[in-house]
Amino acid sequence: EVQLVESGGGLVQPGGSLRLSCAASGFTFSSYWMYWVRQAPGKGLVWVSRVNSDGSFTSYADSVKGRFTISRDNAKNTLYLQMNSLRAEDTAVYYCVRGVTMATITPFYYWGQGSLVTVSS
Amino acid sequence: EVVLTQSPGTLSLSPGERATLSCRASQSVSSSYLAWYQQKPGQAPRLLIYGASSRATDIPDRFSGSGSGTDFTLTITRLEPEDFAVYYCQQYGSSPWTFGQGTKVEI
Repeated sequence: EVQLVESGGGLVQPGGSLRLSCAASGFTFSSYWMYWVRQAPGKGLVWVSRVNSDGSFTSYADSVKGRFTISRDNAKNTLYLQMNSLRAEDTAVYYCVRGVTMATITPFYYWGQGSLVTVSS
Repeated sequence: EVVLTQSPGTLSLSPGERATLSCRASQSVSSSYLAWYQQKPGQAPRLLIYGASSRATDIPDRFSGSGSGTDFTLTITRLEPEDFAVYYCQQYGSSPWTFGQGTKVEI
């Protein structure tokens, strides 16, 4: 059974940093692109970042580019999102996501339970 | 960036009725890389439809998707109580992946 379990969320002051982790199991983690998607309270879904299977390619939404860094440790089956210079508008539930297939173009199929990040003083 | 606009914002229906949700893209969606998701309160989204019209695993056949280019539709033929939720469309053919703002289907 595929499982994605996020951790690392919490309350942080504006300008602060936080690192989210996503522990993956039930599939060959090193074969899949992985994604982060966020959802502000009461709002819609927003794609944040993606990383290819070996970590050599990454891309970001314009709203987080230069502040967030996605990475992965295939030996530990873990995905990360390092978030720096956090702003109030980054407050959201962050989901770790895997696609249907190993292909670059794939809809999102497996979602974690989400990790809440609150940026407030 | 492909902007997706969903309508209506809220759909008020009764169990057994038919629901028709629309998703319009600001430019043509590559190869019909259009998906629909269902989200219930406090839960992660669930994939319903991908490739505009293919049902995901274990999705009941009362859910169907159609459309191409810039106009897409999700149809729920007979609403069950568990279908009352928020539905999002998403294009995954060009970066950045984008979602519509959602349609709430309420009783």
